[in-house]
Amino acid sequence: EPEVTQTPSHQVTQMGQEVILRCVPISNHLYFYWYRQILGQKVEFLVSFYNNEISEKSEIFDDQFSVERPDGSNFTLKIRSTKLEDSAMYFCASRDPEGETQYFGPGTRLLVL
Amino acid sequence: SQQGEEDPQALSIQEGENATMNCSYKTSINNLQWYRQNSGRGLVHLILIRSNEREKHSGRLRVTLDTSKKSSSLLITASRAADTASYFCATDTGRRALTFGSGTRLQVQP
Repeated sequence: EPEVTQTPSHQVTQMGQEVILRCVPISNHLYFYWYRQILGQKVEFLVSFYNNEISEKSEIFDDQFSVERPDGSNFTLKIRSTKLEDSAMYFCASRDPEGETQYFGPGTRLLVL
Repeated sequence: SQQGEEDPQALSIQEGENATMNCSYKTSINNLQWYRQNSGRGLVHLILIRSNEREKHSGRLRVTLDTSKKSSSLLITASRAADTASYFCATDTGRRALTFGSGTRLQVQP
């Protein structure tokens, strides 16, 4: 069964460093999402992406964040200058054009020191 | 309460018993989805119920939706130790960004 994959599974970085989290959505899906979950808290929406542009973003998704689909398979989330409070599990999700279900990847656990 | 709040926050039952989790939300929705998360792992989609549906079944799962009360319930019948996980409801208001609740931590004792 097709699934969303994410790399790396864990990343440790120093405050102020840039990180890029990578996702490979399910191949025929056209809608892509990033969510995050701070330890012990709710899963929060960050951004949605369709047709090579951001379709919606939350107030969390400030200028430090950017997303890109650099080729036909990858979808990336970049955090330009990480802060301690960016430590969280980051989930990528994708959805096909006809469906309503979002399929989530296993997540990348980011720790900012 | 916030959009997508589950109760109870934690539930501990014996294997073979049924587990019921509830979710309340505030705004109109297109659909409501339930996800499962094993500790520190990814979100696994369980079931989706649309706003014009009242009940849906999938294996040992039964979901109900009451749009007049803005609430949903997830029933897991004949629970197993492997059902131990956190369960989240997530609402889609048509904007497609999902709003998640705080989750119910289910512990099934063997």
